[in-house]
This record gives sequence, C-alpha cells and structure tokens, in this order.
Amino acid sequence: EPEVTQTPSHQVTQMGQEVILRCVPISNHLYFYWYRQILGQKVEFLVSFYNNEISEKSEIFDDQFSVERPDGSNFTLKIRSTKLEDSAMYFCASSEADSGSYGYTFGSGTRLTVV
Amino acid sequence: SQQGEEDPQALSIQEGENATMNCSYKTSINNLQWYRQNSGRGLVHLILIRSNEREKHSGRLRVTLDTSKKSSSLLITASRAADTASYFCAPLYTGANSKLTFGKGITLSVRP
Repeated sequence: EPEVTQTPSHQVTQMGQEVILRCVPISNHLYFYWYRQILGQKVEFLVSFYNNEISEKSEIFDDQFSVERPDGSNFTLKIRSTKLEDSAMYFCASSEADSGSYGYTFGSGTRLTVV
Repeated sequence: SQQGEEDPQALSIQEGENATMNCSYKTSINNLQWYRQNSGRGLVHLILIRSNEREKHSGRLRVTLDTSKKSSSLLITASRAADTASYFCAPLYTGANSKLTFGKGITLSVRP
C-alpha cells in the first residue's frame, strides 16, 4: 500500500538554527499538508498546499515557517529560526483530491526536539 | 471551531466487547471522517461517510451519521488489544477549504 514517507524520524537542533523536514507524498496525490502535535496535545493544522502554492495556513504558520515542493516528489517544511516551543511531532499528509472525496494519508512523523 | 467534539474522552473495555465512540459537530458538512492514532505515530484514515449517507461499514467498523442531530458514531465490534489507540472524528464543513481539523480524540484501551 502506498505510503507517505517522512525524514528524518527524529531531529535534534539548537535554538535559533534552521531545520528542514522532508516528506515524500504519495505519487498521484495533489494536496499536501503539514500538521504538528506537541507532546500530549492535539494534532494542529499548519498549512495546506495545492498546485504549487499555499491554499490555507493557520496562525501557527508564521513567517518563520515555509513550505516548498522543490521537485515532483518532495514536500518540505522549513523552520528558519527554531524556538523551544517548536519542539513537537510534525506530520506530513497528502490526499488524492480535496478531502471532500478522500481521506488523508499521514506519514509517521518527524520528532523535532529544540534544545 | 471546525473540529468535531468526541465523547467520551476515554473508554476502557475488555477484549471482545464492542466500543462505541461519538462525535458531534457544529454546522452542515460535506463529509465526516474517522482516524486512529497509535501512540507516537501518524493518524490513519479509517472511514469517510458523506452527508447523504446514514451508515457505512468497513470490516469491524460501523459508522453512522445523523445530520439532523449533527452527530456521528463509530462502533468497533469484537474489539482486540490492537485496537488500543486514540480515535478522532474530523468533519469537513460545507464551504470550508479542504483541510481537516482534529479535536482531542477518544483514548480507547482494550484490555486483553
């Protein structure tokens, strides 16, 4: 069964450093998403991406965050200057069409620890 | 808020019993989806029910939708220890951009 692949599975970074989280969505999917989950809290929406541009973003997704689809397969989330409160699990998801017809497929996540 | 409200917050049952989880939402929807999350893992899509459907089955899962009450329920029959996880409902509201939002979920524990 097709999977969404995320790398790395765990990243430790120093406060103020830039991090790039990588995702390979399912190949025929058109919609891409990033979510995050702080330990013990609910899964929060960050951003959705379609047709090479952001379609929606949350309040969390401020100027420190950016997304990119640099080629036909990868979808990345960049945090420019990490803060301690950015420590969380980050999940990438993709869907074949908008979620009116299909569910999302999530990756296993990247655990980001900012020290 | 666009998220669904799940009930109960926690549920503990014996293996072999059925588990019923409920979800309420606010306004009209295109569809409602249920997801499962094992500890420390990503969400797994379980089932999607459209607004014009009332009941849907998938293996041991049965989902119902009552649009007049703005509620849905997820029934897991003959539960197994491996069903232990958190379960989330995610309504897709009419007119919303295509993104799902998730609530606090239901923590299901199935005792062997």
